Amino acid sequence: SQTIHQWPATLVQPVGSPLSLECTVEGTSNPNLYWYRQAAGRGLQLLFYSVGIGQISSEVPQNLSASRPQDRQFILSSKKLLLSDSGFYLCAWSAGVKETQYFGPGTRLLVL
Amino acid sequence: GIQVEQSPPDLILQEGANSTLRCNFSDSVNNLQWFHQNPWGQLINLFYIPSGTKQNGRLSATTVATERYSLLYISSSQTTDSGVYFCAAMEYGNKLVFGAGTILRVKS
Repeated sequence: SQTIHQWPATLVQPVGSPLSLECTVEGTSNPNLYWYRQAAGRGLQLLFYSVGIGQISSEVPQNLSASRPQDRQFILSSKKLLLSDSGFYLCAWSAGVKETQYFGPGTRLLVL
Repeated sequence: GIQVEQSPPDLILQEGANSTLRCNFSDSVNNLQWFHQNPWGQLINLFYIPSGTKQNGRLSATTVATERYSLLYISSSQTTDSGVYFCAAMEYGNKLVFGAGTILRVKS
């Protein structure tokens, strides 16, 4: 069966520091991968998605970037964090376009 | 892009009661999913239901695509059903658009 992992689970970072969140999927190959952000516990917003290695689509212009160095690895990064980057970040995967999306456990980021 | 609206925003039930959550979407969809977010933040897939009716235990869902709405039914609610219920719809491509959610609290 497929599983999706995210780490770290929680992170407290100072403003201006860099960020790297990692997501990996097991048990499938060539998945579509997604990064979402949830602010204030309500509603998720799609940040990035990827349909293959090195292929990244950005949905919202912002202070963040994403990379997919391996087939089942998706990384969310920032060079300098802002207070507004605080939130709950969730990674998801699907077998293809229009298919069911499955979510990881998430990373809680607090920028102080 | 597609708009997704959920109602009610908040719901308090006594254990054992039934409830219906509604999701309206503004355009035809290729994908519609219901999720339950538990107190730890984990998003649990409930249904993938762009059309038709599905049932899983005490939960069932119906999507009427032609009328652009979906309903989630919870019967004989339990305290473990508490949390936030999200509806999410995809109009095209890979973008799943989430509603604002319904916060459900089941009291014992």
